Amino acid sequence: AQSVAQPEDQVNVAEGNPLTVKCTYSVSGNPYLFWYVQYPNRGLQFLLKYITGDNLVKGSYGFEAEFNKSQTSFHLKKPSALVSDSALYFCAVSYVAGGYNKLIFGAGTRLAVHP
Amino acid sequence: EAGVAQSPRYKIIEKRQSVAFWCNPISGHATLYWYQQILGQGPKLLIQFQNNGVVDDSQLPKDRFSAERLKGVDSTLKIQPAKLEDSAVYLCASSLAQWTGGSGANVLTFGAGSRLTVL
Repeated sequence: AQSVAQPEDQVNVAEGNPLTVKCTYSVSGNPYLFWYVQYPNRGLQFLLKYITGDNLVKGSYGFEAEFNKSQTSFHLKKPSALVSDSALYFCAVSYVAGGYNKLIFGAGTRLAVHP
Repeated sequence: EAGVAQSPRYKIIEKRQSVAFWCNPISGHATLYWYQQILGQGPKLLIQFQNNGVVDDSQLPKDRFSAERLKGVDSTLKIQPAKLEDSAVYLCASSLAQWTGGSGANVLTFGAGSRLTVL
């Protein structure tokens, strides 16, 4: 079965420090991978995606993610965290079923950046 | 461009009552999704439309949930009768047409969601 796992419910980091939010997936075939962010009382917003090519993809607000095929991981990273990065982060994977693309999400990781 | 519009933003009802949520996607987006997001969980797909046809409703509790997208534009999600476990945020999203191939990389644009509390 297709699945996405985010092993950490919450990640705490001090402002200015690097951050990593982990994601692993299980999908047959070549996956399309995404990160979305959710601020309080808001819908999900797209951050970045991996389709093919360079394993390091860059996205909005200084975030980047590294695709590792052998470890089936797609970890989200940022070199220097900001307090305003505090939010709920979701990893998602797209796969094909019944002739259409489907998108499934992980359970989410809450990022708390402390001043 | 205008975003995905949803209403109402908040709704509180008693169990066994009915409720309806409305969504207007981004103009030109053929694919529309309804996700259910229970507190502490990731969004779960309830139903996916391609234009006005249903692509996937395998996780829609059809004994109480229904959804339609009659003219291939806006959509309504209805719950009747509601149960306590239906308390959640209902997210509508849209994207360009979803067929196999590179369109799997299409980005979904989400609305702000409709928060339902069932008492």
